Amino acid sequence: GAGVSQSPSNKVTEKGKDVELRCDPISGHTALYWYRQSLGQGLEFLIYFQGNSAPDKSGLPSDRFSAERTGGSVSTLTIQRTQQEDSAVYLCASSDGQGGTQYFGPGTRLLVL
Amino acid sequence: AQSVAQPEDQVNVAEGNPLTVKCTYSVSGNPYLFWYVQYPNRGLQFLLKYITGDNLVKGSYGFEAEFNKSQTSFHLKKPSALVSDSALYFCAVREISGGYNKLIFGAGTRLAVHP
Repeated sequence: GAGVSQSPSNKVTEKGKDVELRCDPISGHTALYWYRQSLGQGLEFLIYFQGNSAPDKSGLPSDRFSAERTGGSVSTLTIQRTQQEDSAVYLCASSDGQGGTQYFGPGTRLLVL
Repeated sequence: AQSVAQPEDQVNVAEGNPLTVKCTYSVSGNPYLFWYVQYPNRGLQFLLKYITGDNLVKGSYGFEAEFNKSQTSFHLKKPSALVSDSALYFCAVREISGGYNKLIFGAGTRLAVHP
């Protein structure tokens, strides 16, 4: 079946602009995760959605970052007033329940000029 | 807090030789351990996982990993390396806290297999 998809695959923006990154999880997966991969920080957890429970936002680096998941499926990660240090690859993953293996999308490569 | 260490930034292996990519972990409780591989400009691909049971776990593409509780290690192995195995490999441990679930990743090890 179809895997996790993310859009756009690449995004170039100017410092101070807002960006939205989209994730379509594997159909039927109840858990959805966002991670960030950057040269200096490696792979770091950002946020986790599980069903209708309140999300775990403990990994969001600042209040400029937010995410939502509508209808228990598609998720959007929004970065407001982007900074150059936000440049990274943003990876989305989904799993079948809390304990399931996480399957990753191809990522969105964000470059903030 | 859980943590994962991958002590080697890069591993170089000749094609046809066995390969090992090292991973050690620190967890409270029973570990749930994973290996992922990342090819250039691609997302992470799941290779294998250890939850419980046999210490030797077999995964995709001929890879296997050995869980060693006394040494807190979960090294990735393959008996005969291929040039196409060249990629970035990540070890991860699952952390569950307050009902929330996330993966803690190592820094990654770049595997280079030479013809």
